[in-house]
Amino acid sequence: NAGVMQNPRHLVRRRGQEARLRCSPMKGHSHVYWYRQLPEEGLKFMVYLQKENIIDESGMPKERFSAEFPKEGPSILRIQQVVRGDSAAYFCASSPSGSIRGNQPQHFGDGTRLSIL
Amino acid sequence: ILNVEQSPQSLHVQEGDSTNFTCSFPSSNFYALHWYRWETAKSPKALFVMTLNGDEKKKGRISATLNTKEGYSYLYIKGSQPEDSATYLCASNRDDKIIFGKGTRLHILP
Repeated sequence: NAGVMQNPRHLVRRRGQEARLRCSPMKGHSHVYWYRQLPEEGLKFMVYLQKENIIDESGMPKERFSAEFPKEGPSILRIQQVVRGDSAAYFCASSPSGSIRGNQPQHFGDGTRLSIL
Repeated sequence: ILNVEQSPQSLHVQEGDSTNFTCSFPSSNFYALHWYRWETAKSPKALFVMTLNGDEKKKGRISATLNTKEGYSYLYIKGSQPEDSATYLCASNRDDKIIFGKGTRLHILP
């Protein structure tokens, strides 16, 4: 049973370009979470999605960032017009049901390291 | 406490010694406390999910306790081994949000 798959593992973009990060949850998992890890910082919650629904995006910057989890295919975290400060590791996690109010641990992918030149 | 705080930030332990570290979290509107083990260049792996005050969980040489009234959890490692070297993260589910601490980085010295 494959774990959470994130791709690419490393992504390099120039300022002003778009970055697309993909996350395929574990089989049978319908809940996806995105986190950002800045240097010397812990994991910061960004967004929580179920299939075709954004449940909580309170951790997502209001501009340039968006996320989706379509009925078919992986979840996508999209960053438009990237800036140097977007350089970070972005982790995706999935669970079979909501970890919020639930007892389900989250299963993490290996992350995407985004570097902005 | 409004955030999840972990201490110490970093810890060096001699192989064979036992150790423990702390996670402090907001005690109000508490739902669950998670512990994860995060090895360098890998993804965090779940260790425990704890929900009840007084809960104790154990997996091999690693165990954890939970005090929801005062808002803290301890993680214990008995007889440390080199493979225990990792960052240990705790995360609190509260008010429909999950908040991670910055982790305790554990180094096992041979």
